[in-house]
Amino acid sequence: SQQGEEDPQALSIQEGENATMNCSYKTSINNLQWYRQNSGRGLVHLILIRSNEREKHSGRLRVTLDTSKKSSSLLITASRAADTASYFCATDNLEGQGFSFIFGKGTRLLVKP
Amino acid sequence: GAVVSQHPSWVICKSGTSVKIECRSLDFQATTMFWYRQFPKQSLMLMATSNEGSKATYEQGVEKDKFLINHASLTLSTLTVTSAHPEDSSFYICSAVTGGAINQPQHFGDGTRLSIL
Repeated sequence: SQQGEEDPQALSIQEGENATMNCSYKTSINNLQWYRQNSGRGLVHLILIRSNEREKHSGRLRVTLDTSKKSSSLLITASRAADTASYFCATDNLEGQGFSFIFGKGTRLLVKP
Repeated sequence: GAVVSQHPSWVICKSGTSVKIECRSLDFQATTMFWYRQFPKQSLMLMATSNEGSKATYEQGVEKDKFLINHASLTLSTLTVTSAHPEDSSFYICSAVTGGAINQPQHFGDGTRLSIL
């Protein structure tokens, strides 16, 4: 089953509003990462938050991590039409062989001008 | 920095053809590369993890003989879809990490859209 589950699956807001996306996961992690994907393109790394961190900022982005609840949130403030994209959380998979990441199903964000 | 180039970006070919997709890290050494498959409006599904100079580790349900992965150098990994069929049509994306991989972001290529007729 999916390690990361984002909600909502889709979000539509007006330009200038804030957008909040949530991610839940199931196992222990070293870190959680948020990525953005424009339609038909690869993913772009936004923020990495380590398991011993609770909050991290990068420009208009704010990420929180609650390891007791196994959840994270991504807040985009003062959204712009250019923020329209799909957003994924990813956690490192420490189980099984080797090292890999598990991606959630993503939140499709639409920012209307 | 940390640019990953994936080529080709779009392939259309006949059923039975083998297709090779290249993933190159342009300005860093990629100790580990990942290959994903993505269906429309869905998440990324990890297919395999490849480390330079060793055999790829495939996820459960991914056919090794169907999806051949070679990671011959620290800057290049290739995925070959052998004898492709229409059900192999999908968006394939590679990513690369450097250093110890843990607590490192992945750097993604722009993906390859594969359409099998």
